[in-house]
Amino acid sequence: GESVGLHLPTLSVQEGDNSIINCAYSNSASDYFIWYKQESGKGPQFIIDIRSNMDKRQGQRVTVLLNKTVKHLSLQIAATQPGDSAVYFCAERGSGAQKLVFGQGTRLTINP
Amino acid sequence: ETGVTQTPRHLVMGMTNKKSLKCEQHLGHNAMYWYKQSAKKPLELMFVYNFKEQTENNSVPSRFSPECPNSSHLFLHLHTLQPEDSALYLCASSQDPGGEQYFGPGTRLTVT
Repeated sequence: GESVGLHLPTLSVQEGDNSIINCAYSNSASDYFIWYKQESGKGPQFIIDIRSNMDKRQGQRVTVLLNKTVKHLSLQIAATQPGDSAVYFCAERGSGAQKLVFGQGTRLTINP
Repeated sequence: ETGVTQTPRHLVMGMTNKKSLKCEQHLGHNAMYWYKQSAKKPLELMFVYNFKEQTENNSVPSRFSPECPNSSHLFLHLHTLQPEDSALYLCASSQDPGGEQYFGPGTRLTVT
């Protein structure tokens, strides 16, 4: 069945370094992927999305990479700041599906 | 703010109580969702509504009863809950099912 998971439950980085958060998915038919950020006491917030006809998409300080060959998704955050501390979720949608499947989440902590 | 509001933000209830959670979206979206978020678990989809019609019930116990009177409002009626139902309940909306979802801040529910 469908499953979306994260390689690491926690990630600590130095302020100013780049962060890379990974996600593996098992449904080769998935055609749409989203990264969400959830800060303490808040609901998940959309960061960036990518469709399966792309392998890279850039936003402001964030880049999402999609490797369909190995069914791997990653989120890169450039020059990590204290405000980036949060739990990051990947989500995927199967082709034709009407729902998103969420991964477990990775907690990103920033060291000063 | 994401345009999705939830009330109350915190709720403590006994196992014999009846309470309701409310969600309202101001984004003109057609689809609305209820999720349960427990510690160390992925987001669990509970219900999906599209144009006020329930399109998915993810094997949710009957002690959770959703109601969607219109595309902007979604309720979750609770009765005879169990302590293991304690969690963060998140509401989300999207333009269409399976699309980018906007989340509310959640209701932190504690069942005593």
